[in-house]
Amino acid sequence: DVKVTQSSRYLVKRTGEKVFLECVQDMDHENMFWYRQDPGLGLRLIYFSYDVKMKEKGDIPEGYSVSREKKERFSLILESASTNQTSMYLCASSLGGGNHNEQFFGPGTRLTVL
Amino acid sequence: QKEVEQNSGPLSVPEGAIASLNCTYSDRVSQSFFWYRQYSGKSPELIMSIYSNGDKEDGRFTAQLNKASQYVSLLIRDSQPSDSATYLCAVSEYSSASKIIFGSGTRLSIRP
Repeated sequence: DVKVTQSSRYLVKRTGEKVFLECVQDMDHENMFWYRQDPGLGLRLIYFSYDVKMKEKGDIPEGYSVSREKKERFSLILESASTNQTSMYLCASSLGGGNHNEQFFGPGTRLTVL
Repeated sequence: QKEVEQNSGPLSVPEGAIASLNCTYSDRVSQSFFWYRQYSGKSPELIMSIYSNGDKEDGRFTAQLNKASQYVSLLIRDSQPSDSATYLCAVSEYSSASKIIFGSGTRLSIRP
């Protein structure tokens, strides 16, 4: 079974802090994704990566950056956290394109910025 | 703007009945289609993938795809209270085979 893990289930940070969210997958998947999910807005793609050191902006990249130094690990960075970044953050991974693009999600990190 | 549309619900179905969830999508050349189940406070869980026209069955779940009409549906037979959740329809984005677009979900409630 695919296993995607995220570093924290719950996180509380203060405005202006630098925040790191870590995601690790154990199935040698090529692609990794970061989403945020807010009530009424659904899942929104922040960034994704299709290879080590490769990244592409999603629909809402502002205020975020990412890092993928190793294939199994994809980090989301909030350079200076703001209250409007309070959300559920979901990491996902997929094997590749074509008929192998099912995404598997980690348990999520609920981030609160005070 | 590529879109995946779902009725937000809530859809209320009696226990033991068939629950029918529907989804339409705008990108005519999409190739892959998925249904995810999401319990409150949890992350989405993949329950069905379908890639070709017709029906695909897995236990109590049947996914149906009609590419000509650009809709995909999920049938849940013998609905159980544990099926109460939000169901997300997701469709591949043709311009990027790796990205998928999620609908906003249909909230399903199974009443005993």
